[in-house]
Amino acid sequence: EAQVTQNPRYLITVTGKKLTVTCSQNMNHEYMSWYRQDPGLGLRQIYYSMNVEVTDKGDVPEGYKVSRKEKRNFPLILESPSPNQTSLYFCASSLTARSYNEQFFGPGTRLTVL
Amino acid sequence: GQNIDQPTEMTATEGAIVQINCTYQTSGFNGLFWYQQHAGEAPTFLSYNVLDGLEEKGRFSSFLSRSKGYSYLLLKELQMKDSASYLCAVKVHSNYQLIWGAGTKLIIKP
Repeated sequence: EAQVTQNPRYLITVTGKKLTVTCSQNMNHEYMSWYRQDPGLGLRQIYYSMNVEVTDKGDVPEGYKVSRKEKRNFPLILESPSPNQTSLYFCASSLTARSYNEQFFGPGTRLTVL
Repeated sequence: GQNIDQPTEMTATEGAIVQINCTYQTSGFNGLFWYQQHAGEAPTFLSYNVLDGLEEKGRFSSFLSRSKGYSYLLLKELQMKDSASYLCAVKVHSNYQLIWGAGTKLIIKP
């Protein structure tokens, strides 16, 4: 089944404790992206990747890191999480970055930072 | 700056028709997407418009006017399962990012 998977789905952690949220897609997509979703603000892009070893900042990259060593995986790293990073996170992928390519979303990771 | 406006919430009756509007002001335009998002779930793709006019897909249609910076999503024969948030997103020319509206929560009443 073609899909985007994320792990963990739910995570409660404390300020400053490094964490990684994994994202994997099995559709051979070139483009991958991380979003956070907060009430009343809509989806905001954190980082995106056009292909392996090519990443760039989105609208809200501060406090996050990413890497794209393999085409299928695009982990999101929070080196020192803070309470303002409490949010719902989505990973998404599309065949390419071309305009007409729809994005497929993972199920989401609900993160709480205490 | 980049801005997308949608109504926060709308209510409609089962079996009726509802139109959800989206207006945008962006530095460029390379297409507009509509996604559906049920509570607690991931967004799923509904439609894509890049040229002016109406695109029909079953019970759902999407309209675009580039000169007015305006789009709408039309849902016909509403069903209870259509209760969800509807997200409007614009792809801007200058980069590959999507700019997202905050979404419209649609409540369907029997």
